[in-house]
Amino acid sequence: EDQVTQSPEALRLQEGESSSLNCSYTVSGLRGLFWYRQDPGKGPEFLFTLYSAGEEKEKERLKATLTKKESFLHITAPKPEDSATYLCAVQARRGGGADGLTFGKGTHLIIQP
Amino acid sequence: DAGVTQSPTHLIKTRGQHVTLRCSPISGHKSVSWYQQVLGQGPQFIFQYYEKEERGRGNFPDRFSARQFPNYSSELNVNALLLGDSALYLCASSLGTGFLPLHFGNGTRLTVT
Repeated sequence: EDQVTQSPEALRLQEGESSSLNCSYTVSGLRGLFWYRQDPGKGPEFLFTLYSAGEEKEKERLKATLTKKESFLHITAPKPEDSATYLCAVQARRGGGADGLTFGKGTHLIIQP
Repeated sequence: DAGVTQSPTHLIKTRGQHVTLRCSPISGHKSVSWYQQVLGQGPQFIFQYYEKEERGRGNFPDRFSARQFPNYSSELNVNALLLGDSALYLCASSLGTGFLPLHFGNGTRLTVT
């Protein structure tokens, strides 16, 4: 069974204080990994896809990296508008029908002004 | 461009009743997926449909069913509602069934009393 574990569950930072969120996974053949952002009362918003170990993607203050067992979402000099729950999800490489994503529980990030 | 739209936004039902949730994908997207998100958890995969055919199913009981229409919109049906079915039901669309980003709607909040 595929599993995704995100840590920490919650993180409170001061504005400008950089940090990293962790996503560790066990999956029988990783097809790829996604990062999403979810604001209260909204659906998840797509951020990044990562396909292979060593890959990195950047968008504004966010950078996502991938190893064979985990992914990190690095947040540099965050602003209050970066406050949200960040979700990690994996898709397995399997034959036959399509497989849905397996999500972690998310990291609830609060950036204080 | 309109994103994924879901209706209704909120719904209150009684145990044992039936519910139908609706979803319209982004224009040009042919695949629709359904996810259940319980408070404090990540989304959990229910179904994926592509070109009106079921392409994937998560670990949910037969009380859950879905279909996709020729215009690619979709319905999720849940019979014999249980208290534990209370959740945010998310619909997501994508261009196809490969390793592609899912674009989520803002969900239907279902409360079962």
